[in-house]
Amino acid sequence: GESVGLHLPTLSVQEGDNSIINCAYSNSASDYFIWYKQESGKGPQFIIDIRSNMDKRQGQRVTVLLNKTVKHLSLQIAATQPGDSAVYFCAENYSGSEKLVFGKGTKLTVNP
Amino acid sequence: DTEVTQTPKHLVMGMTNKKSLKCEQHMGHRAMYWYKQKAKKPPELMFVYSYEKLSINESVPSRFSPECPNSSLLNLHLHALQPEDSALYLCASSLRDRDNSPLHFGNGTRLTVT
Repeated sequence: GESVGLHLPTLSVQEGDNSIINCAYSNSASDYFIWYKQESGKGPQFIIDIRSNMDKRQGQRVTVLLNKTVKHLSLQIAATQPGDSAVYFCAENYSGSEKLVFGKGTKLTVNP
Repeated sequence: DTEVTQTPKHLVMGMTNKKSLKCEQHMGHRAMYWYKQKAKKPPELMFVYSYEKLSINESVPSRFSPECPNSSLLNLHLHALQPEDSALYLCASSLRDRDNSPLHFGNGTRLTVT
């Protein structure tokens, strides 16, 4: 089966709210994780990444949290905007591997 | 706009046709990838080229033939495809240095096989 999965296939939020998108992974050897945003008709766009020696990393309006104990990854988007509407994928691989594995994806809809 | 350019954006081909998908990057990346994405599914890895050599083939049928003429270019040659091969084909590149680095994707070629 897939080594990366998501708890919720869809998420609907109000504009201005904070969004949390979750991801579970099963490969304990994974040590590098990426969040991608994919808008309709486009390729995946890099948002933020995190290595296993960290448990939190912040970007502009986004924060990624990594809990290696329970193999869980989350993406927090602050003050969600309509332009954030997209499908979000988590992806994982491990040191020395060229194979990046994607999770199933969560569709985020931001309501005005 | 993405820094990975894919052409064509759309392609319709018959099962007896031969066509090629093209990908180009000028970021100095040394690894290039082909992914296949079906509707409402995550991208699935097909091939990886590292320093212009094929390093991963995910048991892809031989009707898909990759080619990496140089470190900036990646092609995917298509022959005798089946309707179920219709999908979005994504090209990506990465630094491929000592530590893992993110893949940068193009916007894909939407392929329809009739």
